[in-house]
Amino acid sequence: EVQLVESGGGLVQPGRSLRLSCAASGINFEDYAMHWVRQIPGKGLEWVSGISWNSGTIGYADSVKGRFTISRDNAKNSLYLQMNSLRIEDTAFYYCAKVPYGHYFFDYWGQGTLVTVSS
Amino acid sequence: QSALTQPASVSGSPGQSITISCTGTSSDVGSYKLVSWYQQHPGKTPKVMIYEDIKRPSGISNRFSGSKSGNTASLTISGLQAEDEADYYCCSYAGSSVVIFGGGTKLTVL
Repeated sequence: EVQLVESGGGLVQPGRSLRLSCAASGINFEDYAMHWVRQIPGKGLEWVSGISWNSGTIGYADSVKGRFTISRDNAKNSLYLQMNSLRIEDTAFYYCAKVPYGHYFFDYWGQGTLVTVSS
Repeated sequence: QSALTQPASVSGSPGQSITISCTGTSSDVGSYKLVSWYQQHPGKTPKVMIYEDIKRPSGISNRFSGSKSGNTASLTISGLQAEDEADYYCCSYAGSSVVIFGGGTKLTVL
């Protein structure tokens, strides 16, 4: 059974940093591209960032470029999102999502971790 | 990176068909066969219903179908059922390792 479990969310002040993690199990993690998608409670989905299986290809949404850094550790079956210079508008549930090999859509999603940026 | 355009809401009666549109540009929807559609029930995580414009994952009812013309993709749900009531999001690859979502459409089954 594929499981993606996010952690690291919480309450943080504007301008501070936070690091999210996504632990994967039930898959050969190193075979798959992974992404972060966020959702403000009650609002729509927003793609944040994606990383290829070997970290060779990385993309960011304009809204987070220069502030967020995606990374992965295939030996630890883990995906990360380092979030710096956090803003109030970064408040959202953050989901990690898996991309099936050879395709470009999200077939498995974690349950999400809530990041609240507030003073 | 502008969000894809979807109607905020659509509605239909049980048994009817509805179509949700998703309009992008020639740089995203119109350039790649990589539009996917997600269903999200309240409090749940998104579930892929259509991928690569028209393909249906195994286990997804054939009442769900995807199509595309130019820069506009569409999701059609036929034989509406109460359980189809949910939010629906389109998503497209936009080049340069960037992905964009639509703003979402709330489907109400009357």
